[in-house]
Amino acid sequence: KAGVTQTPRYLIKTRGQQVTLSCSPISGHRSVSWYQQTPGQGLQFLFEYFSETQRNKGNFPGRFSGRQFSNSRSEMNVSTLELGDSALYLCASSTRQDNEQFFGPGTRLTVL
Amino acid sequence: DQQVKQNSPSLSVQEGRISILNCDYTNSMFDYFLWYKKYPAEGPTFLISISSIKDKNEDGRFTVFLNKSAKHLSLHIVPSQPGDSAVYFCAASGVRNTDKLIFGTGTRLQVFP
Repeated sequence: KAGVTQTPRYLIKTRGQQVTLSCSPISGHRSVSWYQQTPGQGLQFLFEYFSETQRNKGNFPGRFSGRQFSNSRSEMNVSTLELGDSALYLCASSTRQDNEQFFGPGTRLTVL
Repeated sequence: DQQVKQNSPSLSVQEGRISILNCDYTNSMFDYFLWYKKYPAEGPTFLISISSIKDKNEDGRFTVFLNKSAKHLSLHIVPSQPGDSAVYFCAASGVRNTDKLIFGTGTRLQVFP
């Protein structure tokens, strides 16, 4: 069974631009969560989608948004990029029957 | 406000010895705890979990202990192997069937020969 895939793997943007990251969950998984990892901060929860509905949201500004499609694929969008948005963005999927989440390799975003 | 804390950013252990990674939490509503391992350029990989109704869970070389009164959990790896060298994150969840995990900042484990 294929794992969680994220595209692109690396991205370089400049301040003020916007970016869209994509995540394809494991087949059959209907829950997708997004996390931001920065040095010294661990993984910070961004949001969770289940059956195209946002179920949980972390403490991030409204510039961070997401959506989930009927095939469970998810996208995350960050508008008006700031230098502090440089991070590894991780997507995880699960069946939501238990708490075990399967992570993708992440998208490394660099904002210049 | 860091609800899940891993106070040791790094740990160095000799191969064959025991590795003990610690994690503290502040929210008494957390009832499910997980450990993840992360190699560079890869996403975190699930290792082991424990429910708050238990105080110990074992899976091969990995054992997680939970002390609810102290709001403390630990991961024991016995015996440690060089391939265990990675960053270990503990995570907590307050509600079953939700995927909102609160992660610690991670502990980098290095196992040397």
